Amino acid sequence: DQQVKQNSPSLSVQEGRISILNCDYTNSMFDYFLWYKKYPAEGPTFLISISSIKDKNEDGRFTVFLNKSAKHLSLHIVPSQPGDSAVYFCAAVDSGGYQKVTFGTGTKLQVIP
Amino acid sequence: NAGVTQTPKFQVLKTGQSMTLQCAQDMNHEYMSWYRQDPGMGLRLIHYSVGAGITDQGEVPNGYNVSRSTTEDFPLRLLSAAPSQTSVYFCASTGTGAPSGANVLTFGAGSRLTVL
Repeated sequence: DQQVKQNSPSLSVQEGRISILNCDYTNSMFDYFLWYKKYPAEGPTFLISISSIKDKNEDGRFTVFLNKSAKHLSLHIVPSQPGDSAVYFCAAVDSGGYQKVTFGTGTKLQVIP
Repeated sequence: NAGVTQTPKFQVLKTGQSMTLQCAQDMNHEYMSWYRQDPGMGLRLIHYSVGAGITDQGEVPNGYNVSRSTTEDFPLRLLSAAPSQTSVYFCASTGTGAPSGANVLTFGAGSRLTVL
């Protein structure tokens, strides 16, 4: 039972345009959502997070939007750069649960110069 | 500051062999965990620990054993390797308390295991 889903395995975007990565979840107990970025042969690194009490969080070129009623979040990258090419994992935490982080399946983003 | 260090980076085993993946962190993190990454499956939690002497099962614990005798180390043992355990394994840690938006995981570089 996949509680965090990323339905797009891959995405290609031209440099300078917007990249939108999507994530859906099913567990209403999740209260934090995070995005991690992973380059080949490296471990994932934290990118940005959002609390369930907010609907938007921005950090430079990266913005995460949360729609609790739809159980949907998205990561916007504007403008996209070739160095953004990586696999992006959506993750969710139930802080009152079993201290586990649940990850999605990942979306491979390719930014074309 | 080394962060989270995993060894070995690559390993090939035969079915039935046992081995230990090592994980060490130098950030005095209380929480440590092991994930496996498989194509189309994302990162799945194997075991985790909230402090020395305390461990618990994650989503896919079968075939794996862990212990936490010190704050710094969290080894993952494969008792009798099977081809289904071919994967990339990541160790991750975070500071005081449970992972959250403010308490993010720091990952090691990964260990690629192939079981023939």
